[in-house]
This record gives sequence, C-alpha cells and structure tokens, in this order.
Amino acid sequence: QVQLQESGPGLVKPSETLSLTCAVSGYSISSGYYWGWIRQPPGKGLEWIGSIYHSGSTYYNPSLKSRVTISVDTSKNQFSLKLSSVTAADTAVYYCARQKVGADFDYWGQGTLVTVSS
Amino acid sequence: QSALTQPASVSGSPGQSITISCTGTSSDVGGYNYVSWYQQHPGKAPKLMIYDVSNRPSGVSNRFSGSKSGNTASLTISGLQAEDEADYYCSSYTSSSTYVVFGGGTKLTVL
Repeated sequence: QVQLQESGPGLVKPSETLSLTCAVSGYSISSGYYWGWIRQPPGKGLEWIGSIYHSGSTYYNPSLKSRVTISVDTSKNQFSLKLSSVTAADTAVYYCARQKVGADFDYWGQGTLVTVSS
Repeated sequence: QSALTQPASVSGSPGQSITISCTGTSSDVGGYNYVSWYQQHPGKAPKLMIYDVSNRPSGVSNRFSGSKSGNTASLTISGLQAEDEADYYCSSYTSSSTYVVFGGGTKLTVL
C-alpha cells in the first residue's frame, strides 16, 4: 500500500520560505513515476504547484515557477517543496501525491495546512 | 479563474444519475486522453475516481463512469447514494507550459 505523509511548519511568516517534505512508504521513488505537490486555499479549488521525476527532472506551474523548488532524496524515499517569498495568498492545505503519466494523481497524502501570518 | 470549467453545483436524489461536465480546449481536454476526476469529502484529501478519461482505479464503484466529447469531459454517477455527496474536480494534462490544470470543482448535493 503506497502511503504519503507531508511534514513541515504549520505557520510561516510573510516573505519567508515555506518548506515541506513528503515521506513515501510502500513504494520506492527510484522505481519511477512523477511526484507532485498540489495546494488548496481554504474554501477554494485545487492548484498544481509542480512535479519531479525520480531522476530529478522537474516541471512547475508557471505562475509559481520563480518561487518554487522541488527536490527528491531517493536515499530517504522522500521529496520536498520550497516556496519562497510567501504571502497570505500562499495560505493553503498542501498535498503531496504520486503522479502517473499525464495528470493522474493516484495516491495522496492527508494534506498539511500552512498558514502565512506574522 | 480555473483553466477547466465545471458547474459550481449539481444535485440529485438517491437512486438517480447525475453528470458533471468539465470544459477545456484543444490544448488540454480535447487534445489528450489524460482527463482525471477526483472526489473530495470535507477535510479529506482528494481521491482518484477516474483516470485517462474513462478508466476506474481498483476499488472504485462501477457507478462512476467517465467520457469525453470534443473539448468537454464528463463524469456520470449512477444510482446516487448519500455517500456520493462531495466536491468533484477534473484535471487534465495540457500542452501549454502549465502541464497540469484543474477544474474549479463541483459540489454534489444528494437531496
């Protein structure tokens, strides 16, 4: 059973960097698939942030690209998200998910709420 | 404004069938068979219900089906049950630099 678990601070100050990690169990990231981050502001819809392949190749949502970095650590079987210069508009539940070819996210973490506030 | 357009809400009575539409362009929904549908209950993570337009993951009820015509994809739920009440999102691969786009979501109410 593939399981994903997000972890990281629940509160980040404006202008600082949001950092989250997604630990994967039940499947080796090195075996393949893309691994993605999706967020959902309170009461709103889903927004794709970006994805990374097990080899390290990445692709990002152009609207966030200048502030986003996604990396993978195959030795720890986890991948990470960094979002810089955050504002209140970045307050959201952040999900990590396994991504099949195309836009199919078949396994999701439970999500973690990150609030941007001073 | 979401890249894919969904109705804000739909409703139906138990036992009935409903259809949720997801309209895009030839660069996404119309150009590729990479449309997915997700069910999200309040406070929960989305769950994949349909992938590649019409395929159901293992464990998903066959009451859920997907289709596509032109630039519009559809999710049909037959034999509505109270537990189907949730938000539903479509997504698609896109040839634009965005790569992945979601719909704005549809709230399904079971009357």
